[in-house]
Amino acid sequence: AQSVTQPDIHITVSEGASLELRCNYSYGATPYLFWYVQSPGQGLQLLLKYFSGDTLVQGIKGFEAEFKRSQSSFNLRKPSVHWSDAAEYFCAVGGKTSYDKVIFGPGTSLSVIP
Amino acid sequence: NAGVTQTPKFRVLKTGQSMTLLCAQDMNHEYMYWYRQDPGMGLRLIHYSVGEGTTAKGEVPDGYNVSRLKKQNFLLGLESAAPSQTSVYFCASSYSFQRGSTDTQYFGPGTRLTVL
Repeated sequence: AQSVTQPDIHITVSEGASLELRCNYSYGATPYLFWYVQSPGQGLQLLLKYFSGDTLVQGIKGFEAEFKRSQSSFNLRKPSVHWSDAAEYFCAVGGKTSYDKVIFGPGTSLSVIP
Repeated sequence: NAGVTQTPKFRVLKTGQSMTLLCAQDMNHEYMYWYRQDPGMGLRLIHYSVGEGTTAKGEVPDGYNVSRLKKQNFLLGLESAAPSQTSVYFCASSYSFQRGSTDTQYFGPGTRLTVL
């Protein structure tokens, strides 16, 4: 079955500290992977996506993610967190055909301590 | 470009009432989606459409109907609202069909629905 798990429901970090949000997926075919961010009261915004090629993907706002096929993981990282990064983060997986739907994880809520 | 817009932003219904949520996109996307977001459950796909005049069921379609009469619009209907349908509803659209691969979804700002 296709699924996405985000083991951490809530994470708190200090401003300036590094961040890693975990994402594991289960998918029967070559996965296409996404990270979205949702600020309070807002819709979702795409941070980055992985389709193929280099397994280290750079995104907006200084985020990056690394695809590790052997671990079925796509963890999101940022070297230095800013207070404005406080938000909900969603990992998602989809397939390469037009008819594959995107499956979202339950989300990780990030709090940033000034 | 306005991107993806949703109306209304907020709505309170009584059990048994009906309503329609409207999603509009001006990006000429083929694919459109309706999700509901509930605490601790992420986004769950209700229905989606791969083009004008087409619709398909997602993960949680029961109690909802959809229509895609125009390419730019995707309507979500609740015929007889229930408290279990209290949620935040997001519409999204994407280029998937044209590019032959799952592509970035662009999301609307959401509609917060409460059913009493």
